[in-house]
Amino acid sequence: EADIYQTPRYLVIGTGKKITLECSQTMGHDKMYWYQQDPGMELHLIHYSYGVNSTEKGDLSSESTVSRIRTEHFPLTLESARPSHTSQYLCASSERGDSGNTIYFGEGSWLTVV
Amino acid sequence: AQSVTQLGSHVSVSEGALVLLRCNYSSSVPPYLFWYVQYPNQGLQLLLKYTSAATLVKGINGFEAEFKKSETSFHLTKPSAHMSDAAEYFCAVRGFQKLVFGTGTRLLVSP
Repeated sequence: EADIYQTPRYLVIGTGKKITLECSQTMGHDKMYWYQQDPGMELHLIHYSYGVNSTEKGDLSSESTVSRIRTEHFPLTLESARPSHTSQYLCASSERGDSGNTIYFGEGSWLTVV
Repeated sequence: AQSVTQLGSHVSVSEGALVLLRCNYSSSVPPYLFWYVQYPNQGLQLLLKYTSAATLVKGINGFEAEFKKSETSFHLTKPSAHMSDAAEYFCAVRGFQKLVFGTGTRLLVSP
């Protein structure tokens, strides 16, 4: 059972607002990820981190930013939300090392920008 | 670069029938392959994974998948579908520092 938590699960927010999606894991995993998924579509990696103070951009360009000040915490921030940011955001984590390690996912945060 | 292709965006079966969800991969190195399931409004749950040990991999909820290098396939099967199996299924291959996902297959189970 994966212990990775995302808040809020659902958020409706107005255009131009700043939002932060929280993600925490209690497994001590070094690697953490943010994926974006539009309804019924595939997942795209937007950010990842190897560990504390490490952040990298993923394949899909995103206006969001992330930080990794603590191992267990990997928040994602949108400074000025737009309707095009409406999507599901999935946080994930894995151990470092072997590429066969399982990536564990949180339950996702559904963001709607109106 | 690694990639996966899932054939069929929707698969419909009757309860009790065989489930077969198809996944073909492309990888320049020996692949690590995964199947995840996503229930409505939920995150992804790992069903099973192939990491170069046994080619037939057994997972949770009665699912299994067979790695066939000659066919570059990793199809997911279950002998008898249950209503609770209705969900979206994603095949994925491990790329550099990430998972690369297919477009997903929605499994519909009718009584």
